[in-house]
Amino acid sequence: LAKTTQPISMDSYEGQEVNITCSHNNIATNDYITWYQQFPSQGPRFIIQGYKTKVTNEVASLFIPADRKSSTLSLPRVSLSDTAVYYCLVGDPAYSGAGSYQLTFGKGTKLSVIP
Amino acid sequence: EAQVTQNPRYLITVTGKKLTVTCSQNMNHEYMSWYRQDPGLGLRQIYYSMNVEVTDKGDVPEGYKVSRKEKRNFPLILESPSPNQTSLYFCASTLAWTASSYNSPLHFGNGTRLTVT
Repeated sequence: LAKTTQPISMDSYEGQEVNITCSHNNIATNDYITWYQQFPSQGPRFIIQGYKTKVTNEVASLFIPADRKSSTLSLPRVSLSDTAVYYCLVGDPAYSGAGSYQLTFGKGTKLSVIP
Repeated sequence: EAQVTQNPRYLITVTGKKLTVTCSQNMNHEYMSWYRQDPGLGLRQIYYSMNVEVTDKGDVPEGYKVSRKEKRNFPLILESPSPNQTSLYFCASTLAWTASSYNSPLHFGNGTRLTVT
């Protein structure tokens, strides 16, 4: 099961682009990379998911290099409402290796957006 | 509305008094899971279930039990709660799929804040 490493915290001013990188050196061939956002006292919610190269949706972009050992979540022009904890999750619930179907989160990155 | 529903949202209990936190999803998801969240430790998986009557341990299963008698429900049982189980608990679900095909994200409930005194 691929372990993930993210920065513990980041600060950014409103209107700036924020890039959060997740390291996952032992990612498996079948693993997808998924990012979640969590506000205080709420459950995490899905932001974006990718397998390789670049994925973009209405809220974020996800950049994945060819070796897939890391990924970068990019939030364009952040606002105060983007202050949250962001989690990178690597895995495939159908099979996570060694007979395990676990989905293990890392400790997340706490993003603070400053006015 | 597609959702994962947990009950109760808040629960205060005493050491040793058995309790159950319920989780229900209306999306016909096969995979369901319980997580606990503690400051500085992120989300840690307690138990998960790939389908009815199929459950397995996550990273921190000690002191917890689960059951999956129906596809939509996945209750978390604390037979003898202790203060170190004071935490914020989340239930989550997702479709199960084959290894190389379409991927589906986890849907989380709103959480249950448990305090054991």
